Amino acid sequence: DTEVTQTPKHLVMGMTNKKSLKCEQHMGHRAMYWYKQKAKKPPELMFVYSYEKLSINESVPSRFSPECPNSSLLNLHLHALQPEDSALYLCASSWTGGEAFFGQGTRLTVV
Amino acid sequence: DAKTTQPNSMESNEEEPVHLPCNHSTISGTDYIHWYRQLPSQGPEYVIHGLTSNVNNRMASLAIAEDRKSSTLILHRATLRDAAVYYCILRDGTSGSRLTFGEGTQLTVNP
Repeated sequence: DTEVTQTPKHLVMGMTNKKSLKCEQHMGHRAMYWYKQKAKKPPELMFVYSYEKLSINESVPSRFSPECPNSSLLNLHLHALQPEDSALYLCASSWTGGEAFFGQGTRLTVV
Repeated sequence: DAKTTQPNSMESNEEEPVHLPCNHSTISGTDYIHWYRQLPSQGPEYVIHGLTSNVNNRMASLAIAEDRKSSTLILHRATLRDAAVYYCILRDGTSGSRLTFGEGTQLTVNP
């Protein structure tokens, strides 16, 4: 199984809502990533977890809160988002330094 | 992170070889050269990576200059399915955790 599964595929949320994005992999990878991608732009790294510990936070606003409950799961909790946070959110996993596998993303719209 | 420079766009004809260049003059000794591609409406997909020697896999070949300051991704026979944005990324083999995308090259394949 070489898949990274992201749910939901689409999400519409209001600026006062709280929602979560979920990412799952069963490849035994110990590094997991969250990226944000705006239209016609490259993916921007947000967070990296290594062995279930947050190793990189690219100065992401606190309205985005990552969580890695176990080695297969990665969540991104969303609260009080702004319309400019609307984007495709991508999850990836890899062995340390190895090839990364990406999910298909969650298309988020903040209204 | 060391920076990469790629042309914004390239065009090729179907069934012809494609050479996608990447400059990385500030590469360090522990940086691996990774290539990913992103098809429309999909997450990025790993293509190939290498350190010093040329590499081949079922998707492509990677030619690395002797001084490692540039590399070329070679698609041997382009198909319409290869139309995508191709990203050349330097990844530190020691910490191994950051995977940072640049602007990439938009490849158009003409029938």
